[in-house]
Amino acid sequence: QQQVKQSPQSLIVQKGGISIINCAYENTAFDYFPWYQQFPGKGPALLIAIRPDVSEKKEGRFTISFNKSAKQFSLHIMDSQPGDSATYFCAAQGGGYQKVTFGIGTKLQVIP
Amino acid sequence: DVKVTQSSRYLVKRTGEKVFLECVQDMDHENMFWYRQDPGLGLRLIYFSYDVKMKEKGDIPEGYSVSREKKERFSLILESASTNQTSMYLCATTTEAEQFFGPGTRLTVL
Repeated sequence: QQQVKQSPQSLIVQKGGISIINCAYENTAFDYFPWYQQFPGKGPALLIAIRPDVSEKKEGRFTISFNKSAKQFSLHIMDSQPGDSATYFCAAQGGGYQKVTFGIGTKLQVIP
Repeated sequence: DVKVTQSSRYLVKRTGEKVFLECVQDMDHENMFWYRQDPGLGLRLIYFSYDVKMKEKGDIPEGYSVSREKKERFSLILESASTNQTSMYLCATTTEAEQFFGPGTRLTVL
């Protein structure tokens, strides 16, 4: 059972365009929603995160939009750059032991 | 900076071998995790530990065991490696707001 559904699995965007990755969750006990970025040969690293009491969080070119009633959230990358090419994982966290449930990942390629 | 190190970047083993993957963290975090990463399946939790000698099964524990004898070290054990355990294995430690990952071990079982 996939508790965090992520789409698309792959995405190609032209330089300067907007990259959008969507996620949906089922478990209403989740109370923290991070996004991780992974470059080839590296482990994932935290990119940006949001709590469900706000509908949007922006950090530079990266924005999370959060819809609590629909149980959906998305990552927008504005003015996408080739250096943004990576795999992005949405995730959800809640309950004990700081366990995190990850989506399947989106491989983003930004072409010049 | 938090540092999570894994004993090997690449490992090749034969079917039936016992395999040890080691993970060490330098931040005195209580919780540590082992994931495997496969294309199209994302990161799946194998086991985690919330204290020395304490462990809990994750989503896919079958064929794996773990050991945590010291707070900074968390080992993943494949008792009898099989070809379907060929994968990227990632160790992580965590604060309340962030998981810190090691660089991963790419294991190939022939």
